[in-house]
Amino acid sequence: QKEVEQDPGPLSVPEGAIVSLNCTYSNSAFQYFMWYRQYSRKGPELLMYTYSSGNKEDGRFTAQVDKSSKYISLFIRDSQPSDSATYLCAMSAGPGRRALTFGSGTRLQVQP
Amino acid sequence: DARVTQTPRHKVTEMGQEVTMRCQPILGHNTVFWYRQTMMQGLELLAYFRNRAPLDDSGMPKDRFSAEMPDATLATLKIQPSEPRDSAVYFCASGRDPGQVVSPLHFGNGTRLTVT
Repeated sequence: QKEVEQDPGPLSVPEGAIVSLNCTYSNSAFQYFMWYRQYSRKGPELLMYTYSSGNKEDGRFTAQVDKSSKYISLFIRDSQPSDSATYLCAMSAGPGRRALTFGSGTRLQVQP
Repeated sequence: DARVTQTPRHKVTEMGQEVTMRCQPILGHNTVFWYRQTMMQGLELLAYFRNRAPLDDSGMPKDRFSAEMPDATLATLKIQPSEPRDSAVYFCASGRDPGQVVSPLHFGNGTRLTVT
């Protein structure tokens, strides 16, 4: 079983919908949580960064971390066709530890 | 915007040939990572450098892969001899690691390798 599990999708939604993307993990030492967005034939780019539990909001994007359930989420409000991409969650136990552990990514398609 | 630069963007080679991929990390970043991405496995860590010293290369097949940082502006990943199963997109990423917190990684656009 992988340390980080993520539904590969694809997830298809109409423009304007609220999107919920999720990851579960098994390593209770993870404290740093990130979401990356990857467009086709491009490298992943950082979208959201959170430490420990709680919520963080940035424009249309909200990241949630529930460490008690080992579950993280990314919400996208008012989704746009330009949000169509693969979304990867990534986690780390802390500085000096092994590099980020990534989920396999969820492919999102926002239909105009 | 500062970027991680990877060359070549695409490489097609025959089985048994040597492949060298290059990465220029973002100036001032002191950590460099090599990841491999495939449909089946997603992003897998191959090697990890901090201040040019290798910290973790446990994800790398040692018999054919090697990773080096000849200087702070260049990281290389070599495969010799290459095999068809090495076909993947290879990403380099860099970060600034002050030691107290985990810094996010900045990725290049990858080298798409096809071994026939």
